[in-house]
Amino acid sequence: GAGVSQSPRYKVAKRGQDVALRCDPISGHVSLFWYQQALGQGPEFLTYFQNEAQLDKSGLPSDRFFAERPEGSVSTLKIQRTQQEDSAVYLCASSATVGYGYTFGSGTRLTVV
Amino acid sequence: QQQVKQSPQSLIVQKGGIPIINCAYENTAFDYFPWYQQFPGKGPALLIAIRPDVSEKKEGRFTISFNKSAKQFSLHIMDSQPGDSATYFCAATSGSRLTFGEGTQLTVNP
Repeated sequence: GAGVSQSPRYKVAKRGQDVALRCDPISGHVSLFWYQQALGQGPEFLTYFQNEAQLDKSGLPSDRFFAERPEGSVSTLKIQRTQQEDSAVYLCASSATVGYGYTFGSGTRLTVV
Repeated sequence: QQQVKQSPQSLIVQKGGIPIINCAYENTAFDYFPWYQQFPGKGPALLIAIRPDVSEKKEGRFTISFNKSAKQFSLHIMDSQPGDSATYFCAATSGSRLTFGEGTQLTVNP
């Protein structure tokens, strides 16, 4: 597609629910990233994929967070047993080359109530 | 741990003014320094970027100045317009990871 597509745009979850956030990267982009952006803050790195391989997951805040990209294109970020502190915008980005030229999606705003 | 420090947090200028946003970093492994612009409800969009072997880069009304010895870099917006009102983030890359500053909310008054 022309850009990075994320769905849903908004998600409200009750505390303790599991959620799944989807990212469709730009076609052909081998690198895919997830970032978390709290209100009024800069995005914080969560995890990085090169094709289907998850090469860096050091930014995931807890073992409740899990990401996958099984066929090297679409990626899903899953958060289990959501907590209020998980409320944030989750941004996905893709790039054709590692380290440069990231294109971000518009994000999914997660609100945990 | 904040590896890229950005200031000011907010900035208000009149149309035609030249807002300047400053960033500083500590990690000498950073090798690419982009600036992003973000509008409400949208993801960050790449504006301009520089590598540490260059002291200045200009693209249209946007200029990055880079001081490698001081580990500082800044964004200048020439002839600012109300449409430039947005949040601006500096960032730095080491390997695959992009580290963002905390952001500057710019308002350009008509």
